[in-house]
Amino acid sequence: QKEVEQNSGPLSVPEGAIASLNCTYSDRVSQSFFWYRQYSGKSPELIMSIYSNGDKEDGRFTAQLNKASQYVSLLIRDSQPSDSATYLCAVEEDNFNKFYFGSGTKLNVKP
Amino acid sequence: DTAVSQTPKYLVTQMGNDKSIKCEQNLGHDTMYWYKQDSKKFLKIMFSYNNKELIINETVPNRFSPKSPDKAHLNLHINSLELGDSAVYFCASSVPTGTEGGDTQYFGPGTRLTVL
Repeated sequence: QKEVEQNSGPLSVPEGAIASLNCTYSDRVSQSFFWYRQYSGKSPELIMSIYSNGDKEDGRFTAQLNKASQYVSLLIRDSQPSDSATYLCAVEEDNFNKFYFGSGTKLNVKP
Repeated sequence: DTAVSQTPKYLVTQMGNDKSIKCEQNLGHDTMYWYKQDSKKFLKIMFSYNNKELIINETVPNRFSPKSPDKAHLNLHINSLELGDSAVYFCASSVPTGTEGGDTQYFGPGTRLTVL
């Protein structure tokens, strides 16, 4: 059973700041990594996926992956109050369509 | 226009009852899932089907029985409901992402099940 660990938060940042969300995973074989955003009472929504070591940028979001350290992070630049949500890290077991989720980090962006 | 839909959105029932949740996706995806999200937001995979065939069964009590009549539908039937079954149940479907590997999942709106 894979373990996907996230700090539950809440992480509070002022509007316009950079929010940094972290995730560690236990299995070295995992190859696919995802960040989902979940607003209260809503379903998870995919924000970013990353498969290779390094950084991947999409608008205000940057995902960072370090497979040697089994670590994946999400940076949100110019944080907005609308970014306030729970962010779920997910790891996919290779070629098995099996996803393991962390328990999420709650982000509060204060105006 | 809805990609992954679930019914009902809310389900309140007594212990011991049997209930079903339905899921449909119009995305043409081959793989569908059921997840359980507990009160601590922990999202755990229960089942996965690929083209109507069961491929993942994650040590879920056999009171839970998924059924996939076709690749666009994956229903979940729960027998003899228990208090601990109270949670939000999400259906999802996925498609291979492409050359990078991995699969992109799309979630339904969820069904909040409350067992009294």
